Amino acid sequence: AQSVTQPDIHITVSEGASLELRCNYSYGATPYLFWYVQSPGQGLQLLLKYFSGDTLVQGIKGFEAEFKRSQSSFNLRKPSVHWSDAAEYFCAASDQAGTALIFGKGTTLSVSS
Amino acid sequence: DAGVIQSPRHEVTEMGQEVTLRCKPISGHNSLFWYRQTMMRGLELLIYFNNNVPIDDSGMPEDRFSAKMPNASFSTLKIQPSEPRDSAVYFCASTNLASEQYFGPGTRLTVT
Repeated sequence: AQSVTQPDIHITVSEGASLELRCNYSYGATPYLFWYVQSPGQGLQLLLKYFSGDTLVQGIKGFEAEFKRSQSSFNLRKPSVHWSDAAEYFCAASDQAGTALIFGKGTTLSVSS
Repeated sequence: DAGVIQSPRHEVTEMGQEVTLRCKPISGHNSLFWYRQTMMRGLELLIYFNNNVPIDDSGMPEDRFSAKMPNASFSTLKIQPSEPRDSAVYFCASTNLASEQYFGPGTRLTVT
């Protein structure tokens, strides 16, 4: 069955430190891949997406993600975390653009000062 | 554009009552999705529509749940009768086929 796995439930990073959130997928073919962020009590905001082409994708708020086919991974990175980045992050995938998303369980990011 | 609009934002109801959640997708988007978010199960698809036609309703938990999309600018998700285990945040999202899904702010449903 198709699935998305985020191995880390909760991560704490110091402000100014780098961040990497892990995401692995299990699909028959390369899916469309997304990272969303959810602040408490809010909806989901798209950070970035990968459909095809360059495997390093730039997103909003200084985030980037790298697609690695050999590892079935799509990890999210940020070189320097700000306190306002504290939120829950979801990796998601779909087998085509415009079809239903399968989400990982999410990773909660805490930022310490 | 105002984005995806959902109403109500919060709903508290008693077990056995009918609940109707509403969604207005972004104008021009032809696909609409209903997702449910719970602590135990995370975010999961309930149903989605393409050009107002239900495409995949395999995530609808049981016959108590129903969804309609009478036109391109409006959809409802109805629970009748509601049960405490239906308590969750329900998200509506929309997209055109070439882009990502845009999510509404969600409806937080509490069934007592």
